[in-house]
Amino acid sequence: DAGVIQSPRHEVTEMGQEVTLRCKPISGHDYLFWYRQTMMRGLELLIYFNNNVPIDDSGMPEDRFSAKMPNASFSTLKIQPSEPRDSAVYFCASSPRQETYEQYFGPGTRLTVT
Amino acid sequence: DQQVKQNSPSLSVQEGRISILNCDYTNSMFDYFLWYKKYPAEGPTFLISISSIKDKNEDGRFTVFLNKSAKHLSLHIVPSQPGDSAVYFCAAMASGSARQLTFGSGTQLTVLP
Repeated sequence: DAGVIQSPRHEVTEMGQEVTLRCKPISGHDYLFWYRQTMMRGLELLIYFNNNVPIDDSGMPEDRFSAKMPNASFSTLKIQPSEPRDSAVYFCASSPRQETYEQYFGPGTRLTVT
Repeated sequence: DQQVKQNSPSLSVQEGRISILNCDYTNSMFDYFLWYKKYPAEGPTFLISISSIKDKNEDGRFTVFLNKSAKHLSLHIVPSQPGDSAVYFCAAMASGSARQLTFGSGTQLTVLP
C-alpha cells in the first residue's frame, strides 16, 4: 500500500517566484496536514484539512502561503511570491478517521529559495 | 513558548544497551502522546503512542512511559541496535483539538556498534 506521496522532492527557485508543492495522501484517510521543518522552529503545523475542508490555517505564516484540497486524493501548498526565509523542508501527512491519532508522513519537499 | 520539550539534543548508546529518550510537556490539556523516528531525507515515521489513561505502552523493543503528575514521558529502546540511530521526536495532542500535534525539537540517537 502506497504511503503519502509528495512532489517534487527538491525545489530550487529564485526569490519572487511562485512555488507549488503537491501531496497525495494515503487512500481512505480523512485528514491531511501540511508541516514545515526548519532549524529554528522545528516541525510546525501550517494547516490541516478534514474531508477536503480546511479546518485550521492559523499556522500559515502569512498571506503568501495558500493551500487547497480539491479532492480526497490531492492537495497543494502554494507560496507566491517566495522569499529566502521560506527555505525549509515541507511535509505532508495524513491520518485516518478512526479513533487513533497517528499521522503518516510523506518524504518531504526540500525547498530552497535563492 | 515550547509546550513540548526534548532537552537532550543528542544521545549515544552502545549496541545492546538501553536507550532512554525523555520528553516534557507543559500543557495539561494534552492527553495523547506519540513518538516518531526520522531518518535523514525521509519523513517522520510513527513509532508508538500512549493515551493519558495509561502509564505504559509496549511494542516489541519499544516502551513508552507516561508520568502525568510530572508531565513527563520517556521512550525506552531495549536492546538498542545500530539501525535505531535516528532523530526521535516526541509529539502531543489534546484529543479535543481535532488532531493537532505539537512536536518537540527532537533527540538524535546514535547507537554505537
